[in-house]
Amino acid sequence: GNSVTQMEGPVTLSEEAFLTINCTYTATGYPSLFWYVQYPGEGLQLLLKATKADDKGSNKGFEATYRKETTSFHLEKGSVQVSDSAVYFCALSGRGGFQKLVFGTGTRLLVSP
Amino acid sequence: GAGVSQSPSNKVTEKGKDVELRCDPISGHTALYWYRQSLGQGLEFLIYFQGNSAPDKSGLPSDRFSAERTGGSVSTLTIQRTQQEDSAVYLCASSLAAVSMNTEAFFGQGTRLTVV
Repeated sequence: GNSVTQMEGPVTLSEEAFLTINCTYTATGYPSLFWYVQYPGEGLQLLLKATKADDKGSNKGFEATYRKETTSFHLEKGSVQVSDSAVYFCALSGRGGFQKLVFGTGTRLLVSP
Repeated sequence: GAGVSQSPSNKVTEKGKDVELRCDPISGHTALYWYRQSLGQGLEFLIYFQGNSAPDKSGLPSDRFSAERTGGSVSTLTIQRTQQEDSAVYLCASSLAAVSMNTEAFFGQGTRLTVV
């Protein structure tokens, strides 16, 4: 079945550092890929998405590129801020009919001033 | 309402007791999902409702778990004879239609269930 593997955390960075959170997936066909973020005390919210190979999703300075050849969707940000401290979840959904979101285990990011 | 609302936000229960968790989806959203978030694990799919169709219960971990959705709106997740391994954060999400490349799922803040 479909699955998502993402790097374990926590990831600890200083403000303005470069961020990469790795995500790889296993799926049949061509899934849609997502990054969700969970800020402290809040519910999960969609950060960005990509629906086909080579698409780049971007939002709030974060980017991720759908790489079919490496089955990856790594999350990057050039300069993190303290306010980016949160848990980040990589997820996928297949195509056709109801396809539930399949999530990775989440990666906690801690950014210090 | 403005977003997906879940209640209670926290629930502590004794082992063996039954609990009910409530989810109010965004008005007009036909799809509703329940997920479970356990420490150190990802979000585990539990059940999915879409309109008047039969729910997809394939993720329910045992027959102690059940869910219903009344009038296509509010949903209740019931856990009977709770066990300590049921301790987790239970998340509800809703979307306009089934999740796809064009449809976003909106999550509630979850109910943290602790079984002692």
